[in-house]
Amino acid sequence: SAVISQKPSRDICQRGTSLTIQCQVDSQVTMMFWYRQQPGQSLTLIATANQGSEATYESGFVIDKFPISRPNLTFSTLTVSNMSPEDSSIYLCSVDLGPNFGPGTRLTVL
Amino acid sequence: GDSVTQMEGPVTLSEEAFLTINCTYTATGYPSLFWYVQYPGEGLQLLLKATKADDKGSNKGFEATYRKETTSFHLEKGSVQVSDSAVYFCALSGGSNYKLTFGKGTLLTVNP
Repeated sequence: SAVISQKPSRDICQRGTSLTIQCQVDSQVTMMFWYRQQPGQSLTLIATANQGSEATYESGFVIDKFPISRPNLTFSTLTVSNMSPEDSSIYLCSVDLGPNFGPGTRLTVL
Repeated sequence: GDSVTQMEGPVTLSEEAFLTINCTYTATGYPSLFWYVQYPGEGLQLLLKATKADDKGSNKGFEATYRKETTSFHLEKGSVQVSDSAVYFCALSGGSNYKLTFGKGTLLTVNP
């Protein structure tokens, strides 16, 4: 099964700034996914990232707020833009093998 | 759309007790079903899965059987340990797109 790493593991950011989260997989995968887990809540899918095409966003999530890159079959980034305290969450990367998840990025916005 | 309903906790058990966490689903077609576990301060780990009706997924003493007739995938373990204390999520993936729909999670606490 695929092993997934994420950077950073956690960060504390100021309101209005942006943070880019990286997801690296140890094998080539077709589909990568980004999820959000708000404090004490379940996981919600933000978008699906396929290599060579635009990401597909779920209802309630937009590209301007959560731009995603997928430059190759083992890597993806999610940017959380113009952050507010409501963006404080764990952001998790997943792939279509398993499906397995990365360890998550714990984001706190002050 | 697809949905997952799971028993809301918290669930508190004594060590060596029997565990059941109920999970039912609504989906078109024949989804794949999953249980994930999240230990305190950690990410999600795939615990077990089943991809077709009557399949039984098992791992680390946990089991769940895909019941199409009752649209259920209940998680069971015969004897829980303190180390099983975690949040458990039931999830489904419809079709071949591997997008997961999650239940709300069940917090399990096992006391010595």
